[in-house]
Amino acid sequence: GEDVEQSLFLSVREGDSSVINCTYTDSSSTYLYWYKQEPGAGLQLLTYIFSNMDMKQDQRLTVLLNKKDKHLSLRIADTQTGDSAIYFCAETRGYQKVTFGTGTKLQVIP
Amino acid sequence: EPEVTQTPSHQVTQMGQEVILRCVPISNHLYFYWYRQILGQKVEFLVSFYNNEISEKSEIFDDQFSVERPDGSNFTLKIRSTKLEDSAMYFCASSEAMGDTEAFFGQGTRLTVV
Repeated sequence: GEDVEQSLFLSVREGDSSVINCTYTDSSSTYLYWYKQEPGAGLQLLTYIFSNMDMKQDQRLTVLLNKKDKHLSLRIADTQTGDSAIYFCAETRGYQKVTFGTGTKLQVIP
Repeated sequence: EPEVTQTPSHQVTQMGQEVILRCVPISNHLYFYWYRQILGQKVEFLVSFYNNEISEKSEIFDDQFSVERPDGSNFTLKIRSTKLEDSAMYFCASSEAMGDTEAFFGQGTRLTVV
């Protein structure tokens, strides 16, 4: 079945770049997402990438996709304390089910 | 901006009781979903619903669970005879179409079974 894996924790200093990595197993994935979850809050879609793209930039966020290695990364430039949250990688084949990763807790140190 | 709303935000129930979690999806959306996140674990798919019937469900979604769209706006998840292990955050989501680029998620209902 589908599986999405992420490292559990990342700590960076304010102003540095953060890179959160994700691997997935389903080669049929068509959309790959990054969601942000702040403490006690719901899931906020940050950005997504189609599987036929290899990069997408959206303000401070850069998503890189290596489809051959099934590796997805999210880079946050100039990380701020407000970026502290759990970041979930997720994928779908364009069917109805979204498969989420384990989540990476990003801690930003002032 | 349209959003998915869930009520209540937190529900505490005794083991063995029935609970109903409520969701109001975005008004022009046609596909509805429930997901669950046990504390510290992955967000897991439970069920998707389209055209007044379940279109896909996971192995978690057993006979204890049911979903319903009782009117044109609400989408509910019923858990019969709750167990301790049902304690989790339950997220409702909706999307405009299948394979849409974004499923919009609600803020979640934290269910605590005691």
